[in-house]
Amino acid sequence: QQQVKQSPQSLIVQKGGISIINCAYENTAFDYFPWYQQFPGKGPALLIAIRPDVSEKKEGRFTISFNKSAKQFSLHIMDSQPGDSATYFCAASNLRSSGSARQLTFGSGTQLTVLP
Amino acid sequence: NAGVTQTPKFQVLKTGQSMTLQCAQDMNHEYMSWYRQDPGMGLRLIHYSVGAGITDQGEVPNGYNVSRSTTEDFPLRLLSAAPSQTSVYFCATCRGTVNTGELFFGEGSRLTVL
Repeated sequence: QQQVKQSPQSLIVQKGGISIINCAYENTAFDYFPWYQQFPGKGPALLIAIRPDVSEKKEGRFTISFNKSAKQFSLHIMDSQPGDSATYFCAASNLRSSGSARQLTFGSGTQLTVLP
Repeated sequence: NAGVTQTPKFQVLKTGQSMTLQCAQDMNHEYMSWYRQDPGMGLRLIHYSVGAGITDQGEVPNGYNVSRSTTEDFPLRLLSAAPSQTSVYFCATCRGTVNTGELFFGEGSRLTVL
């Protein structure tokens, strides 16, 4: 059972354009939603994260939009650059719990290519 | 600081062989974990540990063993490798004794089982 569904699987954007990656979740107990960025041959690294008490969080060109009622959240990359080309993973967790329920559940990933 | 170091980076095994993937960290993080990454499946948690002597199962633990004798090391053992274990394996750590959501990943170990 995939608790976090991510789309699209791949995305090609022109330099300067807006990249949008979407995730949907089932578990209403999730209360932490991070996005990880992974470059080829490297491990994922935390990019930005949001809690459900806010609807949007912005860090530089990266913005998370969160819709609690729809159980969806998305990553927007403004003014996309070739250096943003990477695989992006959304994830979710219930940080109020303990044990296995607290662990991150990842989406399936989106391979972003930004054309120069 | 090296952060999270995984060895080997690449390994080819035959079905039934055993091996250990090594993970070492120098950040003094109590929490350590192992994930596998497969195309279209994202990252799935295999095992995790909240400190020396304490381990627990994740989403896909079958076929894998772990132990945690020191804070620095968290090896992942495959006792009898199967082709279904062909994957890229990542070790990840976190500050403190619980997963706070900010994981620090190693660069991965790519395993092929023939």
